[in-house]
Order: sequence, then C-alpha cells, then structure tokens
Amino acid sequence: DADVTQTPRNRITKTGKRIMLECSQTKGHDRMYWYRQDPGLGLRLIYYSFDVKDINKGEISDGYSVSRQAQAKFSLSLESAIPNQTALYFCATSDASGRAGEQYFGPGTRLTVT
Amino acid sequence: GQNIDQPTEMTATEGAIVQINCTYQTSGFNGLFWYQQHAGEAPTFLSYNVLDGLEEKGRFSSFLSRSKGYSYLLLKELQMKDSASYLCAQAWDSSYKLIFGSGTRLLVRP
Repeated sequence: DADVTQTPRNRITKTGKRIMLECSQTKGHDRMYWYRQDPGLGLRLIYYSFDVKDINKGEISDGYSVSRQAQAKFSLSLESAIPNQTALYFCATSDASGRAGEQYFGPGTRLTVT
Repeated sequence: GQNIDQPTEMTATEGAIVQINCTYQTSGFNGLFWYQQHAGEAPTFLSYNVLDGLEEKGRFSSFLSRSKGYSYLLLKELQMKDSASYLCAQAWDSSYKLIFGSGTRLLVRP
C-alpha cells in the first residue's frame, strides 16, 4: 500500500468552482506539504504544515487554502478555480527526525480548470 | 529569494556517464537534495549532501561544494530507464522547506 495517497488522481472542473484535493499518509510524519508543478517551472510550494496546529504559506499561496484535519490528513482547496491553476499537484511528507528536507511524495493529482 | 539553476535538457548514450550540474544561493543553506522524476510520476529521493565532497550510491553519485554554491549529480553506466527529470533542491534554513530547481530532463538514447 502507498504511504502517501492523493484523491482524486485526475479532475476536470470549470472556472469558478470550488474544489478540494485530499492527501493522506500512513508514514506517521508530522510535516506535510502541497506543491504544484507546471512545465518548465519545477515544483513550487503552496502551503506547508509542521503539525496539526501549524499552517504556513509557501511561495504561491494566493487562491488556495488548506486544512490539516489530523496528523495524517492535509487538504488543499481552490475556493474559486481559474484556468491558470491547471497543473499537477503533489502532496509530500517529511519526518522531523530525518534528513532536513527529505520528502516523500504522493502520486499527484492532475487538475484541469476549463 | 532562492534561485536554483540547472540545465533544462541533456542527452546521453546508453552505457555512458552524464553529469548534471546545479548552482544555488549559499545563504540559508541546510542541505542539497537530488530527486528523480519519471514523466507523470512523483519525485523520488536520490541523494543528499550537506558537507563538501562526493556521496556515492551505486551508479549515482552527488557532489557538493558549499563555498561555490555548486552541486552535481553523476550517473554512470546509463540505462534507458534513467530517462527522467532530475530535480535539484536546496533545504532552506532550519525550516525543512525545499526550494526546487526547474529540473533537468535527461534523455538516454540507445
């Protein structure tokens, strides 16, 4: 079984719709992250959380919000989707006792906003 | 902000050696990571350097020079399955955040 799972794996939605991407992990890690990946731009950090009560903005948080419902669950919401949010979204986790920055990625969610 | 530079694309021949370079800004440095990402898949951890020098792991090695803000990933005995993107990432300060480069797409030809 996968340690980091994401649902849905693919989603097509219309401009203006609210959408939630979910991430769950069984690794027991405290730290969770949301990234988006666009061709030629690499991975960019949207939000990160170091524990259930700690939420931090990344470099491109505008238009997104997150919820850390439990240690194992971290959801990303697009309140009103727009076409330039079409991208591949990855959730990742890391362990506070591990190598600084060694992260484990979920399989990704391919989101298309029409 | 952080700026990580690596070549966009490289091509190499099966069985050969290829070196992928990465430069980063030295302020706030807390480690340098290399990840491999096959098309449409999740990135997976390859290597980690926090001290100067070479770290070897099988066919893959990674080098770091902290004073120069420079790292490279060396892939030996290239195989077709090594065709992928290779992401250089800097751990930023003590916050355990990673700043990623745009990735180098490596094509291995027969």
